[in-house]
Amino acid sequence: QSALTQPPSASGSPGQSVTISCTGTSSDVGGYNYVSWYQQHPGKAPKLMIYEVSKRPTGVPDRFSGSKSGNTASLTVSGLRAEDEADYYCTSYAGTNNVFGTGTKLTVL
Amino acid sequence: EVQLVESGGGLVEPGGSLRLSCAASGFTFSYFWMSWVRQAPGKGLEWVAQIKSRADGGTTDYAAPVKGRFSISRDDSKNTFYLQVNSLKTEDTAVYYCATLGVSGYWAFDYWGQGALVTVSS
Repeated sequence: QSALTQPPSASGSPGQSVTISCTGTSSDVGGYNYVSWYQQHPGKAPKLMIYEVSKRPTGVPDRFSGSKSGNTASLTVSGLRAEDEADYYCTSYAGTNNVFGTGTKLTVL
Repeated sequence: EVQLVESGGGLVEPGGSLRLSCAASGFTFSYFWMSWVRQAPGKGLEWVAQIKSRADGGTTDYAAPVKGRFSISRDDSKNTFYLQVNSLKTEDTAVYYCATLGVSGYWAFDYWGQGALVTVSS
């Protein structure tokens, strides 16, 4: 099972919006609505931001949103804030296993 | 409050073994699937293994790079699950995180431990 493909980096100025893509196959992203997104700050454990493609856990700001089209899922962060600067990973259920994305470093300029 | 606490990490020589533990609290442990996820230094997250609840058969699944060398198990009486890592290779060096699946009622790794560092080196 190959890792899902994410852009290595993304950036935006405070207040702007940025979208991070996550491309898989019909065996993972395209086959299930079990895509989730995680934020990871340096030296910290990952934090769940989006689950089941587009749903937000309690406490996650509505500036974070998710979507999916075919084999590609996307995370959009609107109204960028300095604290959004972190690494972001997607993951998808893939039958008997799970696969993570390659990760995207989001920089707030 | 859900808490996951890993232990058992350390320095081990290539070919050696370790057992990682993850002690859980704050939820009904036996109901849920549990996973291990690792992160090599400076690299991304990699799913390693999962174990289903007894109600779902208690079966296990592994990522291809660790299949046959790693073994995940659980002791519901102790609210703890484990990762036995054998025949370690230098490329297994990573922080190993334990994570819950679905405690909050949806399909995602919703709670994570703080991580345990495993270093494989001679």
